[in-house]
Amino acid sequence: GAGVSQSPSNKVTEKGKDVELRCDPISGHTALYWYRQSLGQGLEFLIYFQGNSAPDKSGLPSDRFSAERTGGSVSTLTIQRTQQEDSAVYLCASSSRAGEGTDTQYFGPGTRLTVL
Amino acid sequence: GQNIDQPTEMTATEGAIVQINCTYQTSGFNGLFWYQQHAGEAPTFLSYNVLDGLEEKGRFSSFLSRSKGYSYLLLKELQMKDSASYLCAVRVPLGGATNKLIFGTGTLLAVQP
Repeated sequence: GAGVSQSPSNKVTEKGKDVELRCDPISGHTALYWYRQSLGQGLEFLIYFQGNSAPDKSGLPSDRFSAERTGGSVSTLTIQRTQQEDSAVYLCASSSRAGEGTDTQYFGPGTRLTVL
Repeated sequence: GQNIDQPTEMTATEGAIVQINCTYQTSGFNGLFWYQQHAGEAPTFLSYNVLDGLEEKGRFSSFLSRSKGYSYLLLKELQMKDSASYLCAVRVPLGGATNKLIFGTGTLLAVQP
């Protein structure tokens, strides 16, 4: 596609429910990142995928959060037993060459998650 | 630890020049990025600095001093559409050949007529 796409754009869920957020990176981009942006906060790094290598999960805030990337393309971020503090905008970004040169990350429009 | 500081808010007048500062203390450095984010939209890339000095790109310029852990974004001939949040981000090594971006909280710029 022309850019990074994410779905759904908005998700409202009840505390304790599981949610899945989807990211479609730019075709051919090998690196994929998930970030969380809470109100008044900077972007918080969550997880990073590079090609077929094991993902870097150092930013995941708890074991309720997990992510996978199938076939080196689409990624799904799963939050189990959601809590109100999980409410935020979840942004996905992709880049063509992780960590090299400008390595510009292109962001998707985000999924706004509201946990009631 | 990782720390990136930028002013929370700034106000400037249409047609004027504004400088948004960013200071950082990070465990490693592999480049500094500036992103623009309009309300409700995704961040978009503005500039990248890895060596000391000034990078100019049209109305926007970005400066870096690695020894001082300091960068600024300079916006000239301000337009109303420049009203947005400006995010400073430092790329730090994760290990091996991988890196990640550490973002500041952003500076919300309001351009007034």
